[in-house]
Amino acid sequence: QKEVEQDPGPLSVPEGAIVSLNCTYSNSAFQYFMWYRQYSRKGPELLMYTYSSGNKEDGRFTAQVDKSSKYISLFIRDSQPSDSATYLCARAQGGSEKLVFGKGTKLTVNP
Amino acid sequence: GAGVSQSPRYKVTKRGQDVALRCDPISGHVSLYWYRQALGQGPEFLTYFNYEAQQDKSGLPNDRFSAERPEGSISTLTIQRTEQRDSAMYRCASSSQLNTEAFFGQGTRLTVV
Repeated sequence: QKEVEQDPGPLSVPEGAIVSLNCTYSNSAFQYFMWYRQYSRKGPELLMYTYSSGNKEDGRFTAQVDKSSKYISLFIRDSQPSDSATYLCARAQGGSEKLVFGKGTKLTVNP
Repeated sequence: GAGVSQSPRYKVTKRGQDVALRCDPISGHVSLYWYRQALGQGPEFLTYFNYEAQQDKSGLPNDRFSAERPEGSISTLTIQRTEQRDSAMYRCASSSQLNTEAFFGQGTRLTVV
């Protein structure tokens, strides 16, 4: 079983929709959970990270970790065409070293 | 520099040749990471350095792969006797210290023919 499972999509939504992206992980020792955004032909860029359980909000983005079910989510409110990208979830035990990524979900927001 | 710089951006090599991929991290960043990303997949960890010390090389696929960072700045990932299965995007990232945000470079697209 892969350590981080992510549905690759693709996911296509109309502008203004609420987007929900999800991952599951298998190892309870993980402490840090990240969401990276990767535009076509670019390197991944950190969008949000959370430590342990709970929610973290940043503008239109909310990251959520449920350690009891080993589930991590990213919600995008009022989605924009500029949000079209591949979203990668990742986990780490101690921080940014040795990140383990999911496959990524390709999102398209249609104007 | 302004960001993580990798060179070359594209490399086509014949099977059996050795290749060296270079990473120039953000100035002052002490931690440097190498990842490999296949098409349609997330990045896969290869190795990382703290200053010049290679802290973890557990992700290197086999002994044809090696990496160094002799002066704690620029790093080179070397693949000896390349094989077609080595074809991928090789990405470097750096962070100001451990447990902080890692910034990724544009990557080197390696094609082994």
